[in-house]
Amino acid sequence: DAKTTQPNSMESNEEEPVHLPCNHSTISGTDYIHWYRQLPSQGPEYVIHGLTSNVNNRMASLAIAEDRKSSTLILHRATLRDAAVYYCIRLNYGGSQGNLIFGKGTKLSVKP
Amino acid sequence: ETGVTQSPTHLIKTRGQQVTLRCSSQSGHNTVSWYQQALGQGPQFIFQYYREEENGRGNFPPRFSGLQFPNYSSELNVNALELDDSALYLCASSLSVTNTEAFFGQGTRLTVV
Repeated sequence: DAKTTQPNSMESNEEEPVHLPCNHSTISGTDYIHWYRQLPSQGPEYVIHGLTSNVNNRMASLAIAEDRKSSTLILHRATLRDAAVYYCIRLNYGGSQGNLIFGKGTKLSVKP
Repeated sequence: ETGVTQSPTHLIKTRGQQVTLRCSSQSGHNTVSWYQQALGQGPQFIFQYYREEENGRGNFPPRFSGLQFPNYSSELNVNALELDDSALYLCASSLSVTNTEAFFGQGTRLTVV
């Protein structure tokens, strides 16, 4: 049970922003939201994580709803290299990386 | 700094055989986890090792076993292979057992015929 809901697929144009949604309506107060992505023929890659506040790093931004029941991963300018499966994962505070429960994720296609 | 490396990259085995997959964790990482990824699915957690001890296990039968060595490299052993064991096996390491940023290898593609 992945405990998060994501669209199966999304499309974007190169150099445009992409907003990848994730619903986690049963989230508990100590669950972090993690995002990983998996490029074709590679292992998953950590993208970002957060608890309550919006978070930014060199790869992406994470916007978390005030009630924490949903979040959005934002890629500010999609490139062809961003085409991947994006996984939204709930992880309890203190949980180790072995507690990563992956769902099917969202397959992002980027058009030139 | 070297990343997580796995060997072999591809492997074909016959049903009933045994297989050993290997993983070298990223430098300085003492925690290793193994995942199984079937085609079209997300990775499924098999087990985790921390300082040479098993530190958690997913819903996999005992014929899936592992080891972690003093240098923190790791092995995944699968006995009595079944056709459904065909999958991509991923190894992930992290700085410590409570660090949630996992670094994955490229995986070993196992085909059981």
